[in-house]
Amino acid sequence: QEQLVQSGAEVKKPGASVKVSCQASGFTFTNHDINWVRQASGQGLEWMGWMNPNNGNTGYAQKFQGRVTMTRDTSISTAYMELSRLTSEDTAVYYCARDTHGDRRPDDAFDIWGQGTMVTVSS
Amino acid sequence: QSVLAQPPSVSAAPGQRVTISCSGSSSTIGNNYVSWYRQLPGTAPKLLIYDNNQRPSGIPDRFSGSKSGTSATLGITGLQTGDEADYYCGTWDSSLSVVLFGGGTKLTVL
Repeated sequence: QEQLVQSGAEVKKPGASVKVSCQASGFTFTNHDINWVRQASGQGLEWMGWMNPNNGNTGYAQKFQGRVTMTRDTSISTAYMELSRLTSEDTAVYYCARDTHGDRRPDDAFDIWGQGTMVTVSS
Repeated sequence: QSVLAQPPSVSAAPGQRVTISCSGSSSTIGNNYVSWYRQLPGTAPKLLIYDNNQRPSGIPDRFSGSKSGTSATLGITGLQTGDEADYYCGTWDSSLSVVLFGGGTKLTVL
């Protein structure tokens, strides 16, 4: 079945970087944008940005510009999200999510989500 | 405070109908498709409605979506205890070039 499987939980110190992976299976990886969404404990959903796995093009929310990098390895159908200069405010569950139609519309919905990766930033 | 406004909570009895509103602006809901998600505790969000009123395969017709102007609404009929969850609306903000989510609505089935 179509699914996204993320890497395991991470614990990082303030100032460090974290890289979360998201492996796709059951569908053609390069046909759909991969988005990243995070959720702090007890809070709502916050979109971080998107990546086109076909050509590597990316778009980041202004809040994360300069700190986030989204990449991919098409040989293993895996997307990556790296966040640098971590602070306690970055403690959250990070999700990858696939766009529904694969037609690169910015207002497309997210129909498949990874299981989430807990990132804890603590000294 | 989210640019997409949702009521923090709604409640209704089993078997009843409930609606959840999502209010935006011309740069958000007014000119973009709206989607709705359900999130059970400790799990990833699940898509319920896309393109304002379309249901993905496997989503029962108890769930419906509508949009009028700069607001959207999720409707759920025949409420079940299993429907207790957080519900989020989402859309694109053409001015800010970001995907926005509402603050979420906690549904309680009394």
